[in-house]
Amino acid sequence: NAGVTQTPKFQVLKTGQSMTLQCAQDMNHEYMSWYRQDPGMGLRLIHYSVGAGITDQGEVPNGYNVSRSTTEDFPLRLLSAAPSQTSVYFCASSPSLGQPQHFGDGTRLSIL
Amino acid sequence: SQKIEQNSEALNIQEGKTATLTCNYTNYSPAYLQWYRQDPGRGPVFLLLIRENEKEKRKERLKVTFDTTLKQSLFHITASQPADSATYLCALEGNDMRFGAGTRLTVKP
Repeated sequence: NAGVTQTPKFQVLKTGQSMTLQCAQDMNHEYMSWYRQDPGMGLRLIHYSVGAGITDQGEVPNGYNVSRSTTEDFPLRLLSAAPSQTSVYFCASSPSLGQPQHFGDGTRLSIL
Repeated sequence: SQKIEQNSEALNIQEGKTATLTCNYTNYSPAYLQWYRQDPGRGPVFLLLIRENEKEKRKERLKVTFDTTLKQSLFHITASQPADSATYLCALEGNDMRFGAGTRLTVKP
């Protein structure tokens, strides 16, 4: 029973590089979301999805892309990494809004 | 703009006492409010959910209240233990979910 799996756990990038953070859940949840967590600022919503084929922007979407081709997977793409994107990224899923969210253990990303 | 404030960045209490954490919000009409626990290096873990038409919810040593007039939620941990030491996050849910910055609770033996 894996829950929400995020890969990689750690990553160091150079400014301008692109990469994809992976998120997969095995609970058949419709709602998935990506957050970044910075010291003193709590979790900030980047993008979310209410089901396969549907995505929407959160509070801080600039510099990030998402897609939801399957119920299980919700990858987050950094198109051209910037030092300001250094953060811890969390993926979460729930059956729907109004339900408890299950979080992965995060990806710690450093942009040099 | 929408704002969620957890009033204490850090809270230190003695074992056995009741910890009370506060979550205030402005420019928001949440349908649900949730509380999560986060340990260092881990993702948040769900604790309790309360709906806008509910005043109070309990689970074992945990109690949450939700006052939509005051725009405030209180989270209580009774008979606190050192194992309760963690960061506690409140989250408001309308069309999406937004989190407060968290309160770091330390329970001293």
